[in-house]
Amino acid sequence: ETGVTQTPRHLVMGMTNKKSLKCEQHLGHNAMYWYKQSAKKPLELMFVYNFKEQTENNSVPSRFSPECPNSSHLFLHLHTLQPEDSALYLCASSQGGRLREEQFFGPGTRLTVL
Amino acid sequence: AQTVTQSQPEMSVQEAETVTLSCTYDTSESDYYLFWYKQPPSRQMILVIRQEAYKQQNATENRFSVNFQKAAKSFSLKISDSQLGDAAMYFCAVNAGGTSYGKLTFGQGTILTVHP
Repeated sequence: ETGVTQTPRHLVMGMTNKKSLKCEQHLGHNAMYWYKQSAKKPLELMFVYNFKEQTENNSVPSRFSPECPNSSHLFLHLHTLQPEDSALYLCASSQGGRLREEQFFGPGTRLTVL
Repeated sequence: AQTVTQSQPEMSVQEAETVTLSCTYDTSESDYYLFWYKQPPSRQMILVIRQEAYKQQNATENRFSVNFQKAAKSFSLKISDSQLGDAAMYFCAVNAGGTSYGKLTFGQGTILTVHP
């Protein structure tokens, strides 16, 4: 695998389910990000991790719980979601620490909440 | 806080022609970078071009160039000799210092259609 991978690519869940999204980067980066992409809305930054430490929580509801066990892996644990949480969830990584750095994105997980 | 506005939800261009996508931004920081990202249908988002705020010279990457007007806080993307593979959603983004350090703020995106 190369770049940034995300699993699963598609997920359908009920409002009472618990599921997790997984992201893995093979680039040796130190920063990882979760974004939410909804139709007709800008990408919304959700969480930022630098060197496994959470450095940003953009007022995300507690039903979204991130986990970063190491610099290569990032999870987003989901529980009791709402239909309005249906969206494309993108993971990204970057070297970390510089304004000019490029973020590398995964293909995303298309989440549907019924 | 920083904001990015893309006023063109959709644009279209004929193959081999030139198209310009608009973007305006706002930030109170003096040190920042601007980016254009491309998201092809069902494919991963990739960086197209970036510009440092301190540099007056407009960035270019092959057929892609920017028109950076710092005073007007404008950052448009010009695609020359458009190709079918350029069809995608294009996002403008800013990464500023200060309290927003390291946090990319994106615009709403512009869907570009390329007609053969």
